[in-house]
Amino acid sequence: SAVISQKPSRDICQRGTSLTIQCQVDSQVTMMFWYRQQPGQSLTLIATANQGSEATYESGFVIDKFPISRPNLTFSTLTVSNMSPEDSSIYLCSVEAGQGMSTDTQYFGPGTRLTVL
Amino acid sequence: GQQLNQSPQSMFIQEGEDVSMNCTSSSIFNTWLWYKQDPGEGPVLLIALYKAGELTSNGRLTAQFGITRKDSFLNISASIPSDVGIYFCAGPYTGGFKTIFGAGTRLFVKA
Repeated sequence: SAVISQKPSRDICQRGTSLTIQCQVDSQVTMMFWYRQQPGQSLTLIATANQGSEATYESGFVIDKFPISRPNLTFSTLTVSNMSPEDSSIYLCSVEAGQGMSTDTQYFGPGTRLTVL
Repeated sequence: GQQLNQSPQSMFIQEGEDVSMNCTSSSIFNTWLWYKQDPGEGPVLLIALYKAGELTSNGRLTAQFGITRKDSFLNISASIPSDVGIYFCAGPYTGGFKTIFGAGTRLFVKA
């Protein structure tokens, strides 16, 4: 398994501002994922972040709105840009622990609860 | 695309009761995962199933990987108040590295 920490744990932000969320893992991992969980909903994948390459975004998510950095194998950031109240969600960092096969499992950070006023 | 249909959507039970929830798909999965999410926390992996027909236990939890590879169930025996939370089934896209999640089963336990 992997131990994942996220900062901040929660924040309240004003409309139009940006917030950068940090994700730190206690071991080197190839693949890191960013999810969004809107109130009362399941998890939706935003993007996959691999070190040394641009993040791969899912349908409905774009780099200008959710820029991601992956400077090394233990760290990633997700920025929520030009926020609106619809961006109020829990943002979760996740890593895949294993051999990189499709049977590997994902582990999650504690999440960042974002409220946009 | 691949989807996971999870049921029931929510359950209200008395402490001590057994609980059963399931997950189905029209597509084949090679792995089934069950997560629990406590309020204000990230999902925590409970059980991972890697082989069709596999039955795995983790304390009071038991999960099975359906023989057709299109379904899985999770049972909780003798529920306690700390079992409250949202239970998600999940599985990786076939041939890819992404994981998709069911909509979740919200469990409420009355002491």
